[in-house]
Formats: sequence, C-alpha cells, structure tokens
Amino acid sequence: KQEVTQIPAALSVPEGENLVLNCSFTDSAIYNLQWFRQDPGKGLTSLLLIQSSQREQTSGRLNASLDKSSGRSTLYIAASQPGDSATYLCVLSGANNLFFGTGTRLTVIP
Amino acid sequence: DGGITQSPKYLFRKEGQNVTLSCEQNLNHDAMYWYRQDPGQGLRLIYYSQIVNDFQKGDIAEGYSVSREKKESFPLTVTSAQKNPTAFYLCASRGMSVTEAFFGQGTRLTVV
Repeated sequence: KQEVTQIPAALSVPEGENLVLNCSFTDSAIYNLQWFRQDPGKGLTSLLLIQSSQREQTSGRLNASLDKSSGRSTLYIAASQPGDSATYLCVLSGANNLFFGTGTRLTVIP
Repeated sequence: DGGITQSPKYLFRKEGQNVTLSCEQNLNHDAMYWYRQDPGQGLRLIYYSQIVNDFQKGDIAEGYSVSREKKESFPLTVTSAQKNPTAFYLCASRGMSVTEAFFGQGTRLTVV
C-alpha cells in the first residue's frame, strides 16, 4: 500500500526566507503528484501538478520537483510571505485512488 | 468555469437524523471521492466511485451511504448509525488518471 510522508510536520520561518517542504512515497507507480495548500476550515487549493514523466514544475514563487526513482518530491517556496501560512499537502494519483501525505503546517512570521 | 461544488458549507444535525451532503462537478470527471477530516488529522477515504452506478467503500464507510446516479453528482448521506459524525467533509473528482484532482470547499457537519 502506498505510504506518503511529509517532513517536517510543522515549520516556522521569518518572512522572506526560502524554504523546502519534503514528500516521500513508497510506491513509484504513480500517475502524477500534486501539491495543495489547505487553509484552516477550507478545502484544498491546487498549487502544482507534476505528471509522472516530468521532473519539475514552476508557478511564480513555487517550484516542485519529482524523483520517482527515489520516491521523493520537494516543494520550494521562494521569498516566503505571511500569506503562505497554511498546511501543505502532497497528493499522489494511483490507478484507483488518491494518496495523501501527512501534511506540513507552515507559519511565516512577519 | 468548471469546478466542483459542495453544499451546504455548514450543516447541523440532531442526533438520530440522517443528513445528505451534496457534491456536484461539471468537469466531466469519471471518478469522485468523499473524505472525512477531523481536527489536526489527515483525510480519510469514506467512499469512491469510478463510474456511474458503481461505488466502492473506503477505509471508514460504516455509517455512511452514497449514490452515483449521474456522472455529475455524488451525494453522501451520513446516517444515524454514524456515531461520531462531527467533522469536515471533502469531496474530490478526477478524470482519467493522468489528470489533476479537484476538491470542493468542504462541508462542516456538527451534531447538536
């Protein structure tokens, strides 16, 4: 069964810092990987989608990488802002289901 | 714009009542999912459906029921058999496996 782990579970950084969130998974047979953010009491907002054949995707200050052979994905956030404070989830698409990471709760301190 | 819509946003249920949460998508997605999220916890799969008129139990299906009579709709009924229904419920949909998943904005259910 696919297991998805995110490290760290929580992270606090001062505004302006660059940071990296990590996602590791046990089964490389995936169709794609998405990074989402979730604000308290809200749904999931899609940030980036990486297809299984891709290595990297970028959107604004966000850059996500995928290395299927090592079972890892990273989300890089440049020049963090207080508005980036949220829980970040990596979600893997398998054949029949979605697999969720454990989440990283990010706090960006003004 | 295409998307996935959950309603209502907030729902209150008296003990012993059944309630139905709505999930509608206009993305022409085949697969739809229901998840439950408790405070500080991850998402747990309740039910999923890959095709109209077919659905499968997830990890925590007891006390819940679903139907998939139309491709666009996947309502979730929380029955009186669900002993602890207070939670945040999220619906998701996905097209063919290589496409991205979309999530609704969630329904917060509270037992009063």
